[in-house]
Amino acid sequence: DIQMTQSPSTLSASVGDRVTITCRASQSISSWLAWYQQKPGKAPKLLIYKASSLESGVPSRFSGSGSGTEFTLTISSLQPDDFATYYCQQYNSYSRAFGQGTKVEIK
Amino acid sequence: QVQLVQSGAEVKKPGASVKVSCKASGYTFTSYGISWVRQAPGQGLEWMGWISAYNGNTNYAQKLQGRVTMTTDTSTSTAYMELRSLRSDDTAVYYCARAGPLGPSYFDYWGQGTLVTVSS
Repeated sequence: DIQMTQSPSTLSASVGDRVTITCRASQSISSWLAWYQQKPGKAPKLLIYKASSLESGVPSRFSGSGSGTEFTLTISSLQPDDFATYYCQQYNSYSRAFGQGTKVEIK
Repeated sequence: QVQLVQSGAEVKKPGASVKVSCKASGYTFTSYGISWVRQAPGQGLEWMGWISAYNGNTNYAQKLQGRVTMTTDTSTSTAYMELRSLRSDDTAVYYCARAGPLGPSYFDYWGQGTLVTVSS
């Protein structure tokens, strides 16, 4: 099965900061990667699909890049509503694995 | 608008079974699939499996093979996930999510989650 590894596990940042989260796949997944945001007690929300396509309604400060085995999610200017946990998910293979998550905390 | 509404919280004893429902509305149910994802307390997301509402095909996570069954009722646009031989480490919030109809995909709409507690 394909394993997904995110880094860092926790990130402390301030409003206005540029934030980057990395997701690595154990083997190539082409561009079949999605990013989700989850807030406590809520269901995950799709942000990015196919590595860099922004889901409708998601603010343009979110962007995704990468292909093969290395991917990044960037928040260009962190807003108060962005403090949450972020997950990557591969959908190249039937295992559809998630990364372990990155919690973005207030510095 | 697309909505996935799940059944309510459950408390089960070890060894029992649980069946969670997920009623879809706002889209053509048979044009998509449904995946199930769970989240243990304080932990990350774990993909459990997928069923195509288009053709009934299923695909389960290897660690749950033999204990999980996913079905759909196209007449009511409802998906079901049954988990058997429950253990304490099955305690989690279970989510359904809309997925592609023919294979691996991302999940664009999610249900509100169903808490399943396994305790003696």
